[in-house]
Amino acid sequence: AQSVTQLDSQVPVFEEAPVELRCNYSSSVSVYLFWYVQYPNQGLQLLLKYLSGSTLVKGINGFEAEFNKSQTSFHLRKPSVHISDTAEYFCAVTLPYNTDKLIFGTGTRLQVFP
Amino acid sequence: DTEVTQTPKHLVMGMTNKKSLKCEQHMGHRAMYWYKQKAKKPPELMFVYSYEKLSINESVPSRFSPECPNSSLLNLHLHALQPEDSALYLCASSQDLIVGRRDGYTFGSGTRLTVV
Repeated sequence: AQSVTQLDSQVPVFEEAPVELRCNYSSSVSVYLFWYVQYPNQGLQLLLKYLSGSTLVKGINGFEAEFNKSQTSFHLRKPSVHISDTAEYFCAVTLPYNTDKLIFGTGTRLQVFP
Repeated sequence: DTEVTQTPKHLVMGMTNKKSLKCEQHMGHRAMYWYKQKAKKPPELMFVYSYEKLSINESVPSRFSPECPNSSLLNLHLHALQPEDSALYLCASSQDLIVGRRDGYTFGSGTRLTVV
């Protein structure tokens, strides 16, 4: 079975500092990987996705993520965060075949302080 | 139109009430999803519809009854809910199931449900 682990439940950071949100997945087959952001009292918005090819993917709002197959990781990074980046971030996976479930990690709360 | 619209945004209902949540999209998407999200938890899949037919029911109690009357509309009928059913109910859509696996979903802003 597939699973997604986000080890950090909360990440506090000061404005303009860099940040990395960690995501590891477990799967015996290839997966598609996603990062979603959820602002307070909102739905989820897709930040970026990895399907295949280049392991560094760029998304919206200055975020990027790097796929590492050997470490089964898909960490999200931003070189300089803003107060407005304060939100919950979810890593998620789907399988290319045989299932139509988007499987979410437990989420990481990014809190940006002035 | 690139949005998934959910109404109402907030709903308070008693345990004996019957209510419905509505989800609408005009992107021509043929796959639609209901998720339930408890506070400080990730969304959990409830139902998947593909071309207006129920594709997945994640063993959801019968007090939740989904309906897809047409390709743009998804309803969730609620009856005899329990306080533990209080949560944010999220609707999502994708072009179809296969594209959804590859491209992810477009989510609505959710309905915050409180059962008293």
